[in-house]
Amino acid sequence: KAGVTQTPRYLIKTRGQQVTLSCSPISGHRSVSWYQQTPGQGLQFLFEYFSETQRNKGNFPGRFSGRQFSNSRSEMNVSTLELGDSALYLCASSLRVGGPTDTQYFGPGTRLTVL
Amino acid sequence: QQQVKQSPQSLIVQKGGISIINCAYENTAFDYFPWYQQFPGKGPALLIAIRPDVSEKKEGRFTISFNKSAKQFSLHIMDSQPGDSATYFCAASSDRGGSEKLVFGKGTKLTVNP
Repeated sequence: KAGVTQTPRYLIKTRGQQVTLSCSPISGHRSVSWYQQTPGQGLQFLFEYFSETQRNKGNFPGRFSGRQFSNSRSEMNVSTLELGDSALYLCASSLRVGGPTDTQYFGPGTRLTVL
Repeated sequence: QQQVKQSPQSLIVQKGGISIINCAYENTAFDYFPWYQQFPGKGPALLIAIRPDVSEKKEGRFTISFNKSAKQFSLHIMDSQPGDSATYFCAASSDRGGSEKLVFGKGTKLTVNP
């Protein structure tokens, strides 16, 4: 099976712009989560989607948003970019069949640089 | 509020040695504790995971030890190899509330010298 894919892999934007990142989960996986990774803050949870519904949201400003499509693919959007948004954005997918927590499989990430 | 505290921040061991990374958590609702390994330029990959109904889980050279009363868990890498050089993250989650959100430790950069 193909793993989690994320596009684009690298992105350079300037302050004030907006950006959309895409994630395709492993085939058959229904849950997608997004994390931000920075050297200072480490890995921080952004949001989680299941069946096109946001199930949980991390402590990030409203400039960060996301959605999930009927084929489980997900996108996240960051508007009005700030320098501090420079980070590796990771997407993870899981099967989510109910019951105990399923393993989350991470993609390679999108490296966003804000100038 | 850092819910999962990981130590040490960095670790250097010799080939063949034992690498030990420790984590402590605060939220007693956590019931799933995975360890992830991340190489530069890659996303984190699941290494091994444990649930609180067992005190130890071993997979090859990797062992998780879990102490529920102390709210601590640790990763032991036996016979460490240069190829194990990576950053290791402990994490925790709870399936209560229907979310699988992972809370991560800050990471440990492991260097195994040949």
